[in-house]
Amino acid sequence: SQQGEEDPQALSIQEGENATMNCSYKTSINNLQWYRQNSGRGLVHLILIRSNEREKHSGRLRVTLDTSKKSSSLLITASRAADTASYFCATDYQGAQKLVFGQGTRLTINP
Amino acid sequence: DAGVTQSPTHLIKTRGQHVTLRCSPISGHKSVSWYQQVLGQGPQFIFQYYEKEERGRGNFPDRFSARQFPNYSSELNVNALLLGDSALYLCASSQGFMAFFGQGTRLTVV
Repeated sequence: SQQGEEDPQALSIQEGENATMNCSYKTSINNLQWYRQNSGRGLVHLILIRSNEREKHSGRLRVTLDTSKKSSSLLITASRAADTASYFCATDYQGAQKLVFGQGTRLTINP
Repeated sequence: DAGVTQSPTHLIKTRGQHVTLRCSPISGHKSVSWYQQVLGQGPQFIFQYYEKEERGRGNFPDRFSARQFPNYSSELNVNALLLGDSALYLCASSQGFMAFFGQGTRLTVV
């Protein structure tokens, strides 16, 4: 079974708006990572946040982590059509070699 | 630098057949992991190899096996294919905490 759950399962917004996706997990973790997947192809690594970090930024991406609530959020600001993809969170509690993924959020950016 | 490369990109097999999928990690990465992604779901961990030794195995039947070669490339083998094995098979190489994925092999079992 998968540890993480993303919310919402699908999100559709207008270009230029901000998109927020949430991820919850069940067990203690070392790290949490966010990935993007275009059209069912390979996963692209977006950002990693360690369990002792609360917030991290990378370009238009902002990730938060609340270990007390076992949850994380991914914010994409000023969305673009190219951001249309599925986004997955993945938790790591046995080292990077075994990642446990949620079911993903399918994001659609409308022009 | 080349990323993780997988071959073939697409494959169609008949039930009961055997399949071999291949993966070349990023240069310098010694760890390779395999994941299965069924349509509409997130990837699920199958195997992890480090320095040619199996370091982890997911909840998959013995029909699934893998190995890693001295150059750190890896093969995933699946015997006696079932319709339910149809999926995108992803390979990831890692060094430290981050895993980098290939484009995957789309396996269709008919």
